[in-house]
Amino acid sequence: SQQGEEDPQALSIQEGENATMNCSYKTSINNLQWYRQNSGRGLVHLILIRSNEREKHSGRLRVTLDTSKKSSSLLITASRAADTASYFCAPFAGDSGYALNFGKGTSLLVTP
Amino acid sequence: DTAVSQTPKYLVTQMGNDKSIKCEQNLGHDTMYWYKQDSKKFLKIMFSYNNKELIINETVPNRFSPKSPDKAHLNLHINSLELGDSAVYFCASSRGRAGNYEQYFGPGTRLTVT
Repeated sequence: SQQGEEDPQALSIQEGENATMNCSYKTSINNLQWYRQNSGRGLVHLILIRSNEREKHSGRLRVTLDTSKKSSSLLITASRAADTASYFCAPFAGDSGYALNFGKGTSLLVTP
Repeated sequence: DTAVSQTPKYLVTQMGNDKSIKCEQNLGHDTMYWYKQDSKKFLKIMFSYNNKELIINETVPNRFSPKSPDKAHLNLHINSLELGDSAVYFCASSRGRAGNYEQYFGPGTRLTVT
């Protein structure tokens, strides 16, 4: 399975602002997942978006997928200090693999 | 109830020792994984098991040996520990193939080899 590349590597914003992070990948995919990792914790699944979907929402999260550009973005609206974490994308190409490959993530810092 | 649990949470040991990390999931999932996260936060898959069968074994030294006594458990045994093995090890599980289902991660085991 391929891995995604998150951009930017680090992002610092103030509470209430929106945070946007991007993910690019190399080959066609079946779906793409976003995960969050708080410091010292395991990853937590946020959203799975399928290749035939363009946008998906979950609370304050909005994920878009552009298969023509092989990219996805995660938007967190009205950010809170508790959103401080690393965010990872995991594209899945539907091959025989049973695992996801993660990039280095985007480290988001939300200051009060 | 914790969905995916790992023990121990911290493990400090000397080079050359043998150690084990245990993982249990109570979600009834078929697939379990071991990941290694290094100091640069890079999370790499090590092993994947489906219904107690090894599916993926990435380029991991054979000093690492996973054991799945049943579908709910996937333990990781490491022989002859080296300094480079220091990392955080995460266990995870999913209902089926990783790409089609969300993965549930354990809290991690921070291994320090001195």
